[in-house]
Amino acid sequence: KAGVTQTPRYLIKTRGQQVTLSCSPISGHRSVSWYQQTPGQGLQFLFEYFSETQRNKGNFPGRFSGRQFSNSRSEMNVSTLELGDSALYLCASSPPGQNTEAFFGQGTRLTVV
Amino acid sequence: GEDVEQSLFLSVREGDSSVINCTYTDSSSTYLYWYKQEPGAGLQLLTYIFSNMDMKQDQRLTVLLNKKDKHLSLRIADTQTGDSAIYFCAESRGGSSNTGKLIFGQGTTLQVKP
Repeated sequence: KAGVTQTPRYLIKTRGQQVTLSCSPISGHRSVSWYQQTPGQGLQFLFEYFSETQRNKGNFPGRFSGRQFSNSRSEMNVSTLELGDSALYLCASSPPGQNTEAFFGQGTRLTVV
Repeated sequence: GEDVEQSLFLSVREGDSSVINCTYTDSSSTYLYWYKQEPGAGLQLLTYIFSNMDMKQDQRLTVLLNKKDKHLSLRIADTQTGDSAIYFCAESRGGSSNTGKLIFGQGTTLQVKP
């Protein structure tokens, strides 16, 4: 069974641009969550999607948004990029049912210059 | 507060046991997780425990939970150089969505010396 797949793995963007990151969950998983990892703030929850609906949201500005498609694939978008948005963005998917395990992808390393 | 706290660094000799500690804050029923992150990689789920349990063992890993003190520990028996990594403790805060929102500690860097 393939794991959680995130694309692209690496990305370099300029301040003010926008970026879209993609996450394909493990087959059969319907919940997808996104996290930002930085050296200063550690791992912070961005949002969770389930059945195309946002179910939980973290404390990030409105420049950070996401969506989920009917096949459970998810995208997150960051508009008007700032230098501080440079981070590793991690996606996790969870199986249906008891929903006790979250499996993470390798992440997308975003560098804003 | 919302913080999950961990010590930042632990150094052990190969073959020794490692104990990584974590304190959490939510007093309601919750799941608690241990993840491992190697350089340049994502997070690997090691094990998890529900907050009404005291202990869980899985091969070389033992998780102990002290509910009164909200203290969680991960013991790695016979630590190997391949165990060198950052270990994260996480608490679920998603309500009915157990894994939807995880709050992570700062991570403990485990250094294993040969």
